Amino acid sequence: KQEVTQIPAALSVPEGENLVLNCSFTDSAIYNLQWFRQDPGKGLTSLLLIQSSQREQTSGRLNASLDKSSGRSTLYIAASQPGDSATYLCAVTGTDKLIFGTGTRLQVFP
Amino acid sequence: EPEVTQTPSHQVTQMGQEVILRCVPISNHLYFYWYRQILGQKVEFLVSFYNNEISEKSEIFDDQFSVERPDGSNFTLKIRSTKLEDSAMYFCASSGKMNTEAFFGQGTRLTVV
Repeated sequence: KQEVTQIPAALSVPEGENLVLNCSFTDSAIYNLQWFRQDPGKGLTSLLLIQSSQREQTSGRLNASLDKSSGRSTLYIAASQPGDSATYLCAVTGTDKLIFGTGTRLQVFP
Repeated sequence: EPEVTQTPSHQVTQMGQEVILRCVPISNHLYFYWYRQILGQKVEFLVSFYNNEISEKSEIFDDQFSVERPDGSNFTLKIRSTKLEDSAMYFCASSGKMNTEAFFGQGTRLTVV
């Protein structure tokens, strides 16, 4: 059974720092991995999708990497801003469904 | 930009009542999903739907739950007799192809009292 874990559970950093969020999964047989952002009480906004054949994907200040064989992905956020404060979720796609991690709650303070 | 829309944003219902949560997926998408998130917990898969039938469902999706695509645009989740433990945020999602990027709606917060 696929298990997805994210560390740290919470992170508080000053504005401007570069930071790394970690995601690990137990079964490497995935189709892709998706990173989402969730604001309190809100929906899920897709940030990046990495196909299983890809190693990394970039969008603006965000860069996500995938090492399928070791069951790991990282989300790198460059030059963090207070507006980046949210919960970040990773999810892997197995057989036509997403399996989510527990999330990392990020706070960026001015 | 196309988006998944869900209504209502918040619904309060009495235990034992039926509720229908509504979703309008992105128009050219073919795969539809429902997920839920109990407060403070992980987002959990409920059901996937393709070609007018359920393709996969989780253990949570028991006989009290059903899904329907009544017309070309709506996708609904019905809970026949709600329980207190059904209180959660319910998310609808859609994707264009199987195992591709999924787009989520803003969710319906269901509170069962």
